[in-house]
Amino acid sequence: NAGVTQTPKFQVLKTGQSMTLQCAQDMNHNSMYWYRQDPGMGLRLIYYSASEGTTDKGEVPNGYNVSRLNKREFSLRLESAAPSQTSVYFCASSAGTGGAGFIYEQYFGPGTRLTVT
Amino acid sequence: GESVGLHLPTLSVQEGDNSIINCAYSNSASDYFIWYKQESGKGPQFIIDIRSNMDKRQGQRVTVLLNKTVKHLSLQIAATQPGDSAVYFCAESGAHAGNMLTFGGGTRLMVKP
Repeated sequence: NAGVTQTPKFQVLKTGQSMTLQCAQDMNHNSMYWYRQDPGMGLRLIYYSASEGTTDKGEVPNGYNVSRLNKREFSLRLESAAPSQTSVYFCASSAGTGGAGFIYEQYFGPGTRLTVT
Repeated sequence: GESVGLHLPTLSVQEGDNSIINCAYSNSASDYFIWYKQESGKGPQFIIDIRSNMDKRQGQRVTVLLNKTVKHLSLQIAATQPGDSAVYFCAESGAHAGNMLTFGGGTRLMVKP
């Protein structure tokens, strides 16, 4: 049981290049999330997928797109990378997004460290 | 727990002492709070959570205290060990935020042997 896995671990891009960050979970979770973490900062939500087939914007969605490929996999795409997107990207999953006052714990992957020059 | 940009607040404690990490949250409508531990180069790891109908919850060597009046959350670690050295984040959530987590800026805990 690997939990949440992310690829690649490290990536360097030139401004304007595109790439896709991959995330997979093996916990049969319904909900998945993409966050970014800038140096010395907390995590900020980029996009999330409450369930297979749905995606929604988070706090900082500009410059990103996502695809919920199936229940296990949730990818994050940068169409035209910018230096402001240099960050560490974390994928997370949870059993659900909650409702009626119930909130589920999120499990995080190890992160992808992205540098855009 | 407020964002402090590039410089994380740091708490330095002696091995074996108790640690208290504080967090001020922003929204009085939040009703769920969670603490995460993040070791260098790794993703955040769940430590303990608490709902707003409680003011204290204990786990193994950790206790979370919630003061809703002043919107303050604390994490107490008993008998701090070198393996506790990490950055600790609090996060808040509630229906007002679609049950999404909003993270604070983090506190770095350094344990001196």
